[in-house]
Amino acid sequence: AQKVTQAQTEISVVEKEDVTLDCVYETRDTTYYLFWYKQPPSGELVFLIRRNSFDEQNEISGRYSWNFQKSTSSFNFTITASQVVDSAVYFCALSEVLNAGNNRKLIWGLGTSLAVNP
Amino acid sequence: EPEVTQTPSHQVTQMGQEVILRCVPISNHLYFYWYRQILGQKVEFLVSFYNNEISEKSEIFDDQFSVERPDGSNFTLKIRSTKLEDSAMYFCASSESGRTQYFGPGTRLTVL
Repeated sequence: AQKVTQAQTEISVVEKEDVTLDCVYETRDTTYYLFWYKQPPSGELVFLIRRNSFDEQNEISGRYSWNFQKSTSSFNFTITASQVVDSAVYFCALSEVLNAGNNRKLIWGLGTSLAVNP
Repeated sequence: EPEVTQTPSHQVTQMGQEVILRCVPISNHLYFYWYRQILGQKVEFLVSFYNNEISEKSEIFDDQFSVERPDGSNFTLKIRSTKLEDSAMYFCASSESGRTQYFGPGTRLTVL
């Protein structure tokens, strides 16, 4: 069965620390997508990144970086020099193909609540 | 930048009443979804909609739930007879290609 595990329920860091959020997934699909979404205290879900299963290149976007390793079924997210505005719940998600074509649903982890303290 | 919008932001209703949650997806998107998040729990898939019909629904999406795209821009979720356990945040999402889903701000539904 498709599954996403975010073992860290809550993380608390002091501003400017680096922090890594872990994500491990299980899937039977040979082609799949992985995502990270941010849910700030206001409640909306903000798309951060999509990764294709056939592209294991790491990605960096400003202070954010992602490490995708198929060998360990992991897709970890690192925030460098964290800021108070990074405080949010971060969800890792895996897409599952619903039927023929591109239609997919997202399988979500339980989320990691990150608190960045001044 | 185009975004998904949802109304209302918060809906309070009595058990047994019908509610309609409204969403306006991003205009050139073809795939539409509803998810829900019970407070403190994971986000759960409810239904996907493509080509003017439901393409997939979860076990949660029983006969009390229905979706419509009445006018080519709105996408609605109706709950016919709300139960206490329907209290949750409901998120609408849309996707151009079926790959990346963009979410609205959510509607918090409280059933009393």
